[in-house]
Amino acid sequence: AQSVTQLDSHVSVSEGTPVLLRCNYSSSYSPSLFWYVQHPNKGLQLLLKYTSAATLVKGINGFEAEFKKSETSFHLTKPSAHMSDAAEYFCVVSDRQGGKLIFGQGTELSVKP
Amino acid sequence: EAGVTQSPTHLIKTRGQQVTLRCSPISGHTSVYWYQQALGLGLQFLLWYDEGEERNRGNFPPRFSGRQFPNYSSELNVNALELEDSALYLCASSLGLSRDHEQFFGPGTRLTVL
Repeated sequence: AQSVTQLDSHVSVSEGTPVLLRCNYSSSYSPSLFWYVQHPNKGLQLLLKYTSAATLVKGINGFEAEFKKSETSFHLTKPSAHMSDAAEYFCVVSDRQGGKLIFGQGTELSVKP
Repeated sequence: EAGVTQSPTHLIKTRGQQVTLRCSPISGHTSVYWYQQALGLGLQFLLWYDEGEERNRGNFPPRFSGRQFPNYSSELNVNALELEDSALYLCASSLGLSRDHEQFFGPGTRLTVL
């Protein structure tokens, strides 16, 4: 069965410093992986997706993630945090047959001025 | 282009009642998905409809049901509401069956069961 584990429930950074949100996955096949962001009282927005093309994936708002098969990881990074990045971030794997998304527990990102 | 829309935005019901939530997908999308985001339980898959048929179902009791209409809009019905059904219900849509297709989410319906 597929699963994702987000290693930190909460991450706090200062504005202008790098962001690292960690995600490990478990899958018996080549996975499709996503990062979604949820701002307070809003729906989910796709940041980026990996679908077996380039292992370094660039997304919106300066975020990127690297797929590392040997480490079964898909960590999300951003060189410089902005106040508007404060939100909850979800690492997600797609079910083999499509349709169902399997979400990690989420990482709440706080950005201090 | 309009995104996924959901109605109503908020709903308050009492235990034992029934509720219907509605979702309109992005134009051209044939797949609609429902997820529950309950406090402490994270985001859990509920149902997936494509071309009017139920394709997959999450680990929820039968009192959670739904349907997809010919225009691809969808309803989620919850019967015999229980307190633990209080959650944000999110609808998403995508182009079709491929697992690579991005799911676009609506703003959700906040259901409170008293």
